[in-house]
This record gives sequence, C-alpha cells and structure tokens, in this order.
Amino acid sequence: DTEVTQTPKHLVMGMTNKKSLKCEQHMGHRAMYWYKQKAKKPPELMFVYSYEKLSINESVPSRFSPECPNSSLLNLHLHALQPEDSALYLCASSQGFLGSEANQPQHFGDGTRLSIL
Amino acid sequence: AQSVAQPEDQVNVAEGNPLTVKCTYSVSGNPYLFWYVQYPNRGLQFLLKYITGDNLVKGSYGFEAEFNKSQTSFHLKKPSALVSDSALYFCAVRGPIYNQGGKLIFGQGTELSVKP
Repeated sequence: DTEVTQTPKHLVMGMTNKKSLKCEQHMGHRAMYWYKQKAKKPPELMFVYSYEKLSINESVPSRFSPECPNSSLLNLHLHALQPEDSALYLCASSQGFLGSEANQPQHFGDGTRLSIL
Repeated sequence: AQSVAQPEDQVNVAEGNPLTVKCTYSVSGNPYLFWYVQYPNRGLQFLLKYITGDNLVKGSYGFEAEFNKSQTSFHLKKPSALVSDSALYFCAVRGPIYNQGGKLIFGQGTELSVKP
C-alpha cells in the first residue's frame, strides 16, 4: 500500500473540461511534488511545494494550476488540456526539499492516468 | 550540471541468476544517488540510496547497489533474480544541496525482464 493517495485513478476529459487531481499524504512531509510521466519514460517534474509554498514551476503551461491547501493536500487543476497532455500524473512527497532533508527519499502515489479526448 | 545515464534500455535475466542494472552519474560535488522501481500501473517505489559511507548499500526486496567513485557508477544488483522483479528501474541523482536539493534528476530507465 502506498502512503501517498491520489484520486481519481483514471480520468477521461474533453479539451474544454475543467477537472482536478488530488493528492494526500499523512506522513508529516513538508515537500510535495507533481510529475508527468509518459509510458516507459522517466517522470518529468512539474511543480514542487515546500512548506506549502510553490518552490519550483518547471515552465509548465498555465492550463495546469497547482494548489496546496495545507501540508497534507496537493491539487492539480486542469483546464483546456491538449491531447499531448494525456499521461500518468504522479504525486510525491518527501520530508523536505532543501539541505539534509532532501537526502530522504520521495514517496510516490500510484498516479492518475489522464486521457484527453 | 547533475546527470545520470542508464546505458541499457532493457536487461533480460533468467530466474535465479544474478542481475545488474547499470547507472553512471555526473555531478559537481558529492553525489546523492537513488534507485527506484516501477511496477506496471503503479507509482515509483524507493529501493535504496547512497548519501555517504559504505560503498555497498543494501535496500528493499534483496537489492543492493555498489557505489564506485572512480568509475562514477552506482549499479543495482541482486544475487538471485525473481520473476516478480520484472519492472522498470530508475536511477536518480538529487540536485545541489542548497539549491533545488530535493529535485531528482532521473535516468531514462531500464526495463528488467526475468524469465522463468
């Protein structure tokens, strides 16, 4: 069982829809991450939150909008996505993001498989 | 800049034989290295890490990795492969400690196939 929970597991949406992906962890971790992964490729970092503040945005298009309501929750709001955005979206958390805290591993959820029609 | 390379897209091993999945790295400063495994339709699972200390690191599910500074390698090993080890394996290095330290730079992945 993974300690990072992502919902929904699968999502199919049209290019004009608005939807949200959710991620939750109860390990007391202060860093949370969104990744995009294509089949048999490494995850690509999208966003990093550290202590509930956005620390990294890897030049992600504005149709992806992250939100960190509290230290346990991470959302990814989706709007007007393109077919090339179809992928597995992974959430991860870790003890921290800087200094020695970053030596601890990231814990990944099982992802949301997103299909854009 | 930090980078990792996994020179083999696929590794095929017979069950019961030893397995090695290769990883080489390029970093400025001390390397902080990780191995993750991804089973079909799952997220990544942490196997082991090298931060400092012994060059042989033991991890989950009977895996170990050997850190070799002179060869800048961090190969993943297991003495006796199981069919259930078949999965996608990623080597990763973390970013500079005080700047983007928690950012992981992943290798391209190696698909391990263990046949009975």
